[in-house]
Amino acid sequence: AAGVIQSPRHLIKEKRETATLKCYPIPRHDTVYWYQQGPGQDPQFLISFYEKMQSDKGSIPDRFSAQQFSDYHSELNMSSLELGDSALYFCASSPGLAGGRWETQYFGPGTRLLVL
Amino acid sequence: KQEVTQIPAALSVPEGENLVLNCSFTDSAIYNLQWFRQDPGKGLTSLLLIQSSQREQTSGRLNASLDKSSGRSTLYIAASQPGDSATYLCAVYGEGGADGLTFGKGTHLIIQP
Repeated sequence: AAGVIQSPRHLIKEKRETATLKCYPIPRHDTVYWYQQGPGQDPQFLISFYEKMQSDKGSIPDRFSAQQFSDYHSELNMSSLELGDSALYFCASSPGLAGGRWETQYFGPGTRLLVL
Repeated sequence: KQEVTQIPAALSVPEGENLVLNCSFTDSAIYNLQWFRQDPGKGLTSLLLIQSSQREQTSGRLNASLDKSSGRSTLYIAASQPGDSATYLCAVYGEGGADGLTFGKGTHLIIQP
């Protein structure tokens, strides 16, 4: 079965540089979520999109932005990178609201970002 | 603000034992609760999803229960195997507040051969 695809899998950047992470949801999933997991930490919700519109924001820094495109893939843009941005970034997708209940979120393998 | 707590933080048991992982959450207004498995440096694998109207879900050797009113869930693993060694994360999807899952810090499980 198709899974969530994230690219790149690994990324090394210098401080103050920019980075773009991409997420391709499972086919026919219309909802995408982004999470950040710091070393030894639990994943923290950043932002979500439903039907190409921003659905909600969590603890996403103002330096980050994201969007969902017409083909439902999503990109997380990170500017003015800081050392503390080093983390594993997960994208998850779900079919969204189905039968009045929120469905399982399926996670991608993550992008490991290292800021030097 | 929703807070999710998992106990114990770490657990080491011999192969073959049955074990229980605990998860508690402070706000009972949830749509669902999900249990995940995470191997070191890897992604999250969804194990079980329990909707707020359900009491339990089973998948193979795994059984998860939910007591929404008391804010508790347990993950029962039967006949544990070394391959079960991983970090197990509990996450809730709240009715109010942010759209994403709120995770606990996980239980690091080691199954000794």
